[in-house]
Amino acid sequence: NAGVTQTPKFRILKIGQSMTLQCAQDMNHNYMYWYRQDPGMGLKLIYYSVGAGITDKGEVPNGYNVSRSTTEDFPLRLELAAPSQTSVYFCASRAGRENSPLHFGNGTRLTVT
Amino acid sequence: AQKVTQAQTEISVVEKEDVTLDCVYETRDTTYYLFWYKQPPSGELVFLIRRNSFDEQNEISGRYSWNFQKSTSSFNFTITASQVVDSAVYFCALSEPPSKTSYDKVIFGPGTSLSVIP
Repeated sequence: NAGVTQTPKFRILKIGQSMTLQCAQDMNHNYMYWYRQDPGMGLKLIYYSVGAGITDKGEVPNGYNVSRSTTEDFPLRLELAAPSQTSVYFCASRAGRENSPLHFGNGTRLTVT
Repeated sequence: AQKVTQAQTEISVVEKEDVTLDCVYETRDTTYYLFWYKQPPSGELVFLIRRNSFDEQNEISGRYSWNFQKSTSSFNFTITASQVVDSAVYFCALSEPPSKTSYDKVIFGPGTSLSVIP
């Protein structure tokens, strides 16, 4: 059982480049979340989804886009990378009830230079 | 709006000491859920415990215990007889049911970095 899988694990981008961070889960979870983790700042919610076709902004959505066409996948798109987007990105999923714990992927470490 | 505060940025203790990590939350809802997660130096995030707003019973699991006090909006985490393996960043999180303006999102505090010195 793979759980939540994030790819790539590491990436270096130049300013202005675009990329997509991939996230897939095999637990049939409806709810999926993207967080970024900056040193000493905890986890900030970027976007989340409560099912295929339904997404909503979190605390820090600017500079990112998401889509959810299937239950399994929840990609995060960076259109014009900026140094401020250097961070560790975590994808998580949960069964859908507010008392369900989050299952996290192992993270993607992104550096924008 | 939801908010989670963990005032202790970093804590260092000597092995076998007890340590308490503080968590204070803000919410307008009467129904909500609180969580603690652990992030060891390897980087993964591990779920430790959840508590719903209607259950103020304290919980003990081995060397870990949690004290939930609705009156002070706090959900504190105590490690008894700390060990080097407890060294990690610990996050407190708040989850609310969906509302008219949002679905049920999960908001994290800034985390407390715990170092247990042998």
